[in-house]
Amino acid sequence: QVQLVESGGGVVQPGRSLRLSCAASGFIFSSYDMHWVRQAPGKGLEWVALISYDGGKRYYADSVKGRFTISRDTSKNTLFLQMDSLRAEDTAMYYCARYNSGNYFDYWGQGTLVTVSS
Amino acid sequence: SYELTQPPSVSVSPGQTASITCSGDKLGDKYVCWYQQKPGQSPVLVIYQDNKRPSGIPDRFFGSNSGNTATLTISGTHTMDEADYYCQTWDSSTSYVFGTGTKVTVL
Repeated sequence: QVQLVESGGGVVQPGRSLRLSCAASGFIFSSYDMHWVRQAPGKGLEWVALISYDGGKRYYADSVKGRFTISRDTSKNTLFLQMDSLRAEDTAMYYCARYNSGNYFDYWGQGTLVTVSS
Repeated sequence: SYELTQPPSVSVSPGQTASITCSGDKLGDKYVCWYQQKPGQSPVLVIYQDNKRPSGIPDRFFGSNSGNTATLTISGTHTMDEADYYCQTWDSSTSYVFGTGTKVTVL
């Protein structure tokens, strides 16, 4: 069965960096576009970033462009999100999600919590 | 930027029908999907491509999309349907857009 397991969250000071990981299993990882979506405490869902199935295309929300980098390691079936210059407003639960070519997120991980605070 | 607007809350009695709207400019020209999120859990896809149900989703969940509004209808609502619901689409100007979310209360 499809599984997505995030890790790497924690408490970090403003301006510092953090790297999130998402271990994928149960499907052919190299065949799917993968995304990061976040949810601030008590708020709605916000799309963060996309990487195409082959890693050739990467897109970012304006709110994180220039600070976050999405990547993937197909040999390890793992998705990453490098977060630099973190701000208080980046505090959120971060989910990795598999994107179906039919234009929807069909599987989500359990999330990893990032708290940016001094 | 493209925006999707949902009512903050909807209340429904058990066994009755709940309707959740999602409004956006020319939304009917795009595919819409819906996610259910219960407290402390990840979102779960309940409707995709406007009106299709993934395997395992009860047939009391129904989706439609026309004009500027998409609607998720839950018929014969169960207490287990109490959750937050988000619509989502893709737009060339804003990429992947989620609605503002609707809290469904079954009481």
